[in-house]
Amino acid sequence: QQPVQSPQAVILREGEDAVINCSSSKALYSVHWYRQKHGEAPVFLMILLKGGEQKGHEKISASFNEKKQQSSLYLTASQLSYSGTYFCGTEGGGGTSYGKLTFGQGTILTVHP
Amino acid sequence: GAVVSQHPSWVICKSGTSVKIECRSLDFQATTMFWYRQFPKQSLMLMATSNEGSKATYEQGVEKDKFLINHASLTLSTLTVTSAHPEDSSFYICSAEVLTSGVSGEQFFGPGTRLTVL
Repeated sequence: QQPVQSPQAVILREGEDAVINCSSSKALYSVHWYRQKHGEAPVFLMILLKGGEQKGHEKISASFNEKKQQSSLYLTASQLSYSGTYFCGTEGGGGTSYGKLTFGQGTILTVHP
Repeated sequence: GAVVSQHPSWVICKSGTSVKIECRSLDFQATTMFWYRQFPKQSLMLMATSNEGSKATYEQGVEKDKFLINHASLTLSTLTVTSAHPEDSSFYICSAEVLTSGVSGEQFFGPGTRLTVL
């Protein structure tokens, strides 16, 4: 079951913040976040496994809610290099075997000077 | 981080021919690799799970006789698109899993192979 990402797209100026959400109708085993630039492969950002978990660093961090059905990616003080399409990949959540990821439809982030 | 390579990075072929794509884990061993397909402006769709030493597991709707997967060693998986047709044109990406928590692991992606079938 494909997770739902929101928003579909976001446009920022350098230094602004953004939040990208990833939701599932069923509890997940894990959530993986990736960033993909045009014509390139996705780059791993982080994985969250535990309900209530928050991880990352000052600029890019993520959370996983207690019910393990929603994750959010936080981009703080955005830089031009943050532009790209962000995908969440979910593991578990009904109908998906462990180890396999089902990706959301992606969120296009554009950062302008 | 772990490095995954793919070869070729792009290929153009005539309809009816077969194309082989290689996926290698360069600095680690991967018992499990995954093959994805991505159409323009769309998400990644899992095609199959490649397990070293055993048959691949295909997702629903993916023809196993058309997309042949071989995982001959802990560092190499190959995807062969047989009798390719224009509708097979896509961006094919592999990933290799590095287990970090015993069950769930990080997936590191190769740079992708853009296939164009004329």
